Amino acid sequence: AQKITQTQPGMFVQEKEAVTLDCTYDTSDPSYGLFWYKQPSSGEMIFLIYQGSYDQQNATEGRYSLNFQKARKSANLVISASQLGDSAMYFCAMREGGTGGFKTIFGAGTRLFVKA
Amino acid sequence: SQTIHQWPATLVQPVGSPLSLECTVEGTSNPNLYWYRQAAGRGLQLLFYSVGIGQISSEVPQNLSASRPQDRQFILSSKKLLLSDSGFYLCAWSVDLGEADYGYTFGSGTRLTVV
Repeated sequence: AQKITQTQPGMFVQEKEAVTLDCTYDTSDPSYGLFWYKQPSSGEMIFLIYQGSYDQQNATEGRYSLNFQKARKSANLVISASQLGDSAMYFCAMREGGTGGFKTIFGAGTRLFVKA
Repeated sequence: SQTIHQWPATLVQPVGSPLSLECTVEGTSNPNLYWYRQAAGRGLQLLFYSVGIGQISSEVPQNLSASRPQDRQFILSSKKLLLSDSGFYLCAWSVDLGEADYGYTFGSGTRLTVV
């Protein structure tokens, strides 16, 4: 069965510094996709970044990058130059079957606090 | 552009009452549609997904049901609510984009409190 683990319930980071949010996953499917979402206090879920299991390079989207270590089954999110607006819940997610799959499962989330 | 509408934003219902949450998508055809529930301070749990009109897959047995009467409409229902049905309900859509994948687009959510 597929599983997503986020071991950090909460993280603090100083404004303008980088922070890494951990995510490990477990699947037996060779084709899968990994995602990170941001959930501000308003409750909306915002897609941040995607990494395919066959992608050779780590995904990057602006200040977000995904540190994909396939052998370790980890997909950590790195946020560079943290901003106060980055304070939110962050969820790691995985979908088996690549883009043809339909079930995305989510981790328990990490709450990030950015300090001024 | 594609948009997703979900309503109501908040709902307080007594135990045993019925429920109907509606989600509609605009600007896309044949989307994959999903209902998720988020308990307070927890991650998201997939409840139902649909790949087409009338096609519903249930992930968790419970007293909730879903229907897709139209291509871009997804409805979550219950005949009799339980206290444990309280939570934040999110509707989402996605399309199959081949090699690219932009994740899900979520609605703004419905916060349901069963009293």
